[in-house]
Order: sequence, then structure tokens, then C-alpha cells
Amino acid sequence: SQKIEQNSEALNIQEGKTATLTCNYTNYSPAYLQWYRQDPGRGPVFLLLIRENEKEKRKERLKVTFDTTLKQSLFHITASQPADSATYLCALGRQNFVFGPGTRLSVLP
Amino acid sequence: DADVTQTPRNRITKTGKRIMLECSQTKGHDRMYWYRQDPGLGLRLIYYSFDVKDINKGEISDGYSVSRQAQAKFSLSLESAIPNQTALYFCATRGLAEGGTDTQYFGPGTRLTVL
Repeated sequence: SQKIEQNSEALNIQEGKTATLTCNYTNYSPAYLQWYRQDPGRGPVFLLLIRENEKEKRKERLKVTFDTTLKQSLFHITASQPADSATYLCALGRQNFVFGPGTRLSVLP
Repeated sequence: DADVTQTPRNRITKTGKRIMLECSQTKGHDRMYWYRQDPGLGLRLIYYSFDVKDINKGEISDGYSVSRQAQAKFSLSLESAIPNQTALYFCATRGLAEGGTDTQYFGPGTRLTVL
């Protein structure tokens, strides 16, 4: 069956550093992969999409890579700020989306 | 105003009761979804609808039913609630964002507790 793992349940980093979150999957061939941000008590908010034929996508301080051979996506937040603290979800899509369990990121001042 | 709204936001009920969660959207999207979120398990798909006449079961549809009353409205029902249906429920739409990116738009969630 399909399985999606995100590197850790929680990640703590210092302000100003680069946060790197990992999404690994098995038994799936997604057409694209998305990253969402979720704040406590709120619904997920879309951040970035990367297609299967793309290697890298950037948006402001965010960068996503997608390696379909390794079945892995890396999500980077550069120059991290306390306001970046949230849970980040990866989602794999073809007809529907399958979500990972999320990584809770805490950026410490 | 929010594009995707859910009512109620919080609900406590008892085992065996019938519960309806409602979702409305102003995005104009045909595709709508119901998910539940449990700690450590992520979002799991319950039901989805590609238009008013199209309803499909998701990964965990047992114990749930849905109704698509209009393009803008998609309701989730628990016919006879049980404690392991205690969870955070999200409604979502799917459509193209700026730049043509296929994305989902989530409501604020309904926290359901079944005693």
C-alpha cells in the first residue's frame, strides 16, 4: 500500500538557519507533489507544487526538490524566522492527494 | 470572507447520534473533498465529489455518508457516531490557483468529539 513518511515529527532550529524537511514515499507514482503549511486549529494552506518532470521549484525563501528515483522531496526554508513555526505537510497527487503525517517545525529566536 | 466555510466549528456528541457537518465554498470549484485528521496519521480522505452528480468513496468511508446539494455545498454525515470518529474534519475544494497551479483550498476544520 502507499506510504508517505516525513522525516521527523518535530524539528527545532535556530532563527536565521535553513530548515530542511523531508518527504519520502513508497508504492506510488505521483504526477506532482505539494507542500502545505498548517497552523494550530486551522486548515492546511498551499505553499508549492512541483511536477514529476521538475527537479526544483523556488518561491521567495522556499525551495522544493523532487527526486522520483529516490522517491523523495526536500523542502527548504532559508533564513528561517519564528513566524515560520508551523506543521508542514507533503501531499502526493495524481487523481487525488495522499498526505504525509506532517513535521512540526519550531524556529527558535 | 473565507472561501471555504465549515459548520459547526466544534461539536461534542454521544455514541449513536447522527451528526451532519456542513461545508460551503465560494471558489466556484467543482471538486470537493472531506478529510479527517488524527495525530500522527495525517489527513485521510473520506469522500470526494467531482461534480454534483459524482460522489466517490475515499480511503476511509465506512461509517460516513455525504451529500452534494449544489456545486457550493458538500455535507458529511455520521449515521451513528462512535468514539473512534473523534477527530478534526476538513472540507476542501480543488482548482487552479494563479499561474495555473492545481491546488486544494481547505476550510477551517470541525473538531468533533464523540463520547
